[in-house]
Formats: sequence, C-alpha cells, structure tokens
Amino acid sequence: RKEVEQDPGPFNVPEGATVAFNCTYSNSASQSFFWYRQDCRKEPKLLMSVYSSGNEDGRFTAQLNRASQYISLLIRDSKLSDSATYLCVVGHSGGGADGLTFGKGTHLIIQP
Amino acid sequence: DAGVIQSPRHEVTEMGQEVTLRCKPISGHNSLFWYRQTMMRGLELLIYFNNNVPIDDSGMPEDRFSAKMPNASFSTLKIQPSEPRDSAVYFCASSLGDRGLGYGYTFGSGTRLTVV
Repeated sequence: RKEVEQDPGPFNVPEGATVAFNCTYSNSASQSFFWYRQDCRKEPKLLMSVYSSGNEDGRFTAQLNRASQYISLLIRDSKLSDSATYLCVVGHSGGGADGLTFGKGTHLIIQP
Repeated sequence: DAGVIQSPRHEVTEMGQEVTLRCKPISGHNSLFWYRQTMMRGLELLIYFNNNVPIDDSGMPEDRFSAKMPNASFSTLKIQPSEPRDSAVYFCASSLGDRGLGYGYTFGSGTRLTVV
C-alpha cells in the first residue's frame, strides 16, 4: 500500500461548482497534514495546513479523519484560477526517509 | 524574503556530462531537501540536510548522485556522469525545524534537467 494515495483525476468541474477530493494515508502515527497546490511547470506551494478539528481558509475547507486515515479538501465556488494539481502531504517523525510524504496529486480543471 | 533560489532554471546536457544544480535556502531555515519530480514517480526525496549535515541520503538513486551543503546558505546536487533517465525537474526546499513537520516546506522554482 502506498503511503499517501490520491485519485489522480482529472476532475473536470464547471466554474462556480463545489468540488471535493480525498487522500488516504497508511501511517497511523502521522502527525502533520498539508495540502499543496502545484501549477503546471511550477513548484509546489503550501495551500493550507490541516488541523484535527478541520479548518477553513476562504473558499477552501480541509478536514482530517484520523480513524479512517484520510484528509479531504473542499473548494466552494470554484474559479478558473483554481485549476491546478493538488498534492496531499502527510508528515511523521521517527524513522523513514521522509519527514513529509507527498502524494502524486489530483489534477483539477475548472471549466468556464 | 527572496524565497528558495535555485539555478539554473533549465539545463540541457549530453549523456556522460557532469551536471551541478545549486540551491540557496531561505535564511534562518535549518532543514534543506532535494527532490526529483517526474510524471511517473511524482515527488521523490533524494536527500535531507539538517543544520548543514546530511541526515538521510537513502533516496539518492546511485553513486552518480552526490550532494553537499558547505554552509547554511548554499547546497549543490551533482550528477556525474549524467544519463537520459536522470531527466526530471529537481526541486530544492527548505524549512524550519526538523524535517519541517510542523511548518511544511518552501520549494524553489526547480531546475528542469534534460539529458540527451
């Protein structure tokens, strides 16, 4: 089982719609969680951290379900500029090569 | 803050040549990471430095790859000799703390390497 799994998509969504995608992780001892955004031919950029109680940043809502070992990202009122690849990132300490493990990303296309 | 600075942005080289990629982390960040990204494999961690010391290089694919961090503001990733399968985007990232667990990483803009 891969450490961090995401549906690669693409998700084709009309502008203004709400879209959500999940990410599952295998290490139950994981401690930190993030969503990153990567535009085509650009570097990944931190979108938001994910906290245990869930958190919101404008149109973006992130949630964590430790029991089922998944995190989610919800985008409301989607904009054309939201088109990008969204990377799920999970962190744990103690052993292993990666402090943070990156998923391969979910490709989102917002259509006019 | 200028962010993480990488050079060159693009590199095209012939198979067998030596390639050196450079990175300047954000001032004050004590963790530095080199990643490689391809469509097939996504982001792969190559090596991690903490306070200029290599902590984990288990991701370095083979002896052709080497990395150094002579001081807190500079790191290099060298490939010698280069092969076509090394073609990828190489990212440098830096962070506060150990492995950036609580903070996430800030990435440089990457070096797009093509080996022909």
